Amino acid sequence: AQSVTQLDSHVSVSEGTPVLLRCNYSSSYSPSLFWYVQHPNKGLQLLLKYTSAATLVKGINGFEAEFKKSETSFHLTKPSAHMSDAAEYFCVVSEIGSGNTGKLIFGQGTTLQVKP
Amino acid sequence: DTEVTQTPKHLVMGMTNKKSLKCEQHMGHRAMYWYKQKAKKPPELMFVYSYEKLSINESVPSRFSPECPNSSLLNLHLHALQPEDSALYLCASSPRPLGQGARGYTFGSGTRLTVV
Repeated sequence: AQSVTQLDSHVSVSEGTPVLLRCNYSSSYSPSLFWYVQHPNKGLQLLLKYTSAATLVKGINGFEAEFKKSETSFHLTKPSAHMSDAAEYFCVVSEIGSGNTGKLIFGQGTTLQVKP
Repeated sequence: DTEVTQTPKHLVMGMTNKKSLKCEQHMGHRAMYWYKQKAKKPPELMFVYSYEKLSINESVPSRFSPECPNSSLLNLHLHALQPEDSALYLCASSPRPLGQGARGYTFGSGTRLTVV
């Protein structure tokens, strides 16, 4: 069965410093992987997605993620944090393959705090 | 139009009330979803509609009744709810249904439901 583990429940960075949000996944088939962001009292916004094309995926707002099959990881990075990046981030996997429903499997989320 | 629109944004209802949540998309997506999200938790799938037919019900209590009148509209009818049903209810859509290479979900901003 597929699963997603976000390794940090809370990450705190200073404005202007790099951001790293870690995600490991478990999947029997070729996964589709996503990062979503949720600001307080808002819906989920897609940051980026990996769907078996380039392993380095660039998303919106300067975020990017690298798919590493050997490490079963899909970590999210940003070179320089902005105050507006403070939010909840979800790593999500969707399996595509025989017998799989393609349901989204969510990690538990990482709260990103950005300090001035 | 690249949005999923949910109304109302906030709803307070008593345990004997009947109310409905509405979700609309005009992207030509053929799958629509209802999720429930409690505070500080990831969204939990409730229902999936594929080509306007209910394809997945994640053992949701019958006090929640979904309806898909057409390919653009999804409703969630609420009756005799409990205080523990208070949550953010998110609607989402995707170009193709689960199990058919569903890639890229668009989420609405949600309805914040409070049951008193």
